[in-house]
Amino acid sequence: EIVMTQSPATLSVSPGESATLSCRASQSVSSYLAWYQQKPGQPPRLLLHGASTRATGIPARFSGSGSGTEFTLTISSLQSEDFAVYYCHQYYDWLTFGGGTKVEIK
Amino acid sequence: QVQLQESGPGLVEPSQTLSLTCTVSGGDISSGNYYWSWIRQPAGRGLEWIGRFHTDGSTNSNPSLKSRVTISVDTSRDQFSLRLTSVTAADTALYFCARGNPVSSGRYFFDAWGQGTQVTVSS
Repeated sequence: EIVMTQSPATLSVSPGESATLSCRASQSVSSYLAWYQQKPGQPPRLLLHGASTRATGIPARFSGSGSGTEFTLTISSLQSEDFAVYYCHQYYDWLTFGGGTKVEIK
Repeated sequence: QVQLQESGPGLVEPSQTLSLTCTVSGGDISSGNYYWSWIRQPAGRGLEWIGRFHTDGSTNSNPSLKSRVTISVDTSRDQFSLRLTSVTAADTALYFCARGNPVSSGRYFFDAWGQGTQVTVSS
């Protein structure tokens, strides 16, 4: 099983600042990597797939990079609605998710 | 726009079988090239993929749960279902159904989710 490790577990950011979230795979997943946003009481929402392709309707302030085992989600100029938990998900070999990064208001 | 809705008992006794149904609207479950999946999330924790049905008729499930999982489909009702046998407290979680959008055979991300249904295993 490919283990996905996200860091940090919690990220404190002020509105308007940028946030950088990391996701590491225990073995290469090529670019078969997606990012989701989840708010309390809601299901996850697809943000990015293929490591860097934004899903329909996702603002340009969300960007992704990386391939192989190291991936990054960057949220530029954080808005109030961006404070949430973010999960990475590999779909290269079976399907596994990272443990999540909570982005909270500083 | 496709919508998914989970339904089923919120409380299951230990050693019994958990049964949930996902109803898909706004799309035909048997058309397209989608992987209709079940995913769960214990309170305060991350996500675990349980299993899926594909429109080619095949099913597959997480090896860690495989012996306990059955996924079935009723295309006439645009529904797919999950049965998880011999449940324990460790199966208590929020259960989601989701649509897997493939980029290649067997490789897919989830682009539509149900709201989730809470299942508690307790006597």
